[in-house]
Amino acid sequence: ELKVEQNPLFLSMQEGKNYTIYCNYSTTSDRLYWYRQDPGKSLESLFVLLSNGAVKQEGRLMASLDTKARLSTLHITAAVHDLSATYFCAVGGSGTYKYIFGTGTRLKVLA
Amino acid sequence: DAGITQSPRYKITETGRQVTLMCHQTWSHSYMFWYRQDLGHGLRLIYYSAAADITDKGEVPDGYVVSRSKTENFPLTLESATRSQTSVYFCASRAQGAGTEAFFGQGTRLTVV
Repeated sequence: ELKVEQNPLFLSMQEGKNYTIYCNYSTTSDRLYWYRQDPGKSLESLFVLLSNGAVKQEGRLMASLDTKARLSTLHITAAVHDLSATYFCAVGGSGTYKYIFGTGTRLKVLA
Repeated sequence: DAGITQSPRYKITETGRQVTLMCHQTWSHSYMFWYRQDLGHGLRLIYYSAAADITDKGEVPDGYVVSRSKTENFPLTLESATRSQTSVYFCASRAQGAGTEAFFGQGTRLTVV
């Protein structure tokens, strides 16, 4: 059964600092997604990662995937207040079309 | 309007009542999903569907029923609502293909009193 764990659950950081959010999953997968959710809002897709070693970047966010370690990271560079949100990873079960979400990381960037 | 819409946005119901949450998408996406979001649990998959008349149970299906008679609609029914079903419910859809991401509706906030 596919399980997805994210850490940390909460992250409070100063503007300008770097940090990494981790997403571990328990079984083989062929796709991994990162989403952002602002308070009271829906989820917005950030990245789709499909292969081992995949790296994608958008602004101050960079996501990577290591399928051998069953690990994805979301790295935040020089954080700004606008990045404050909850970030979720979601993992697609191999051979299925469903995906399972992690518990989310609530990020707060302090000015 | 194009996209995925949920209705109602907010609902208060009493314990034991039946309630149906609606989800409609205009993209003709094959796959549709229902999740519930609760603090400390992230999003948990309730049911999902690959096409009309094809549905599968997710992580937390007990107490819920789905149907998919048309590709564009995927209603979720709580047969006899309980307080533990108080939550925010999200519907999502995606196209076929490994590289496609899911798009989410605005969510329905359901309170069972």
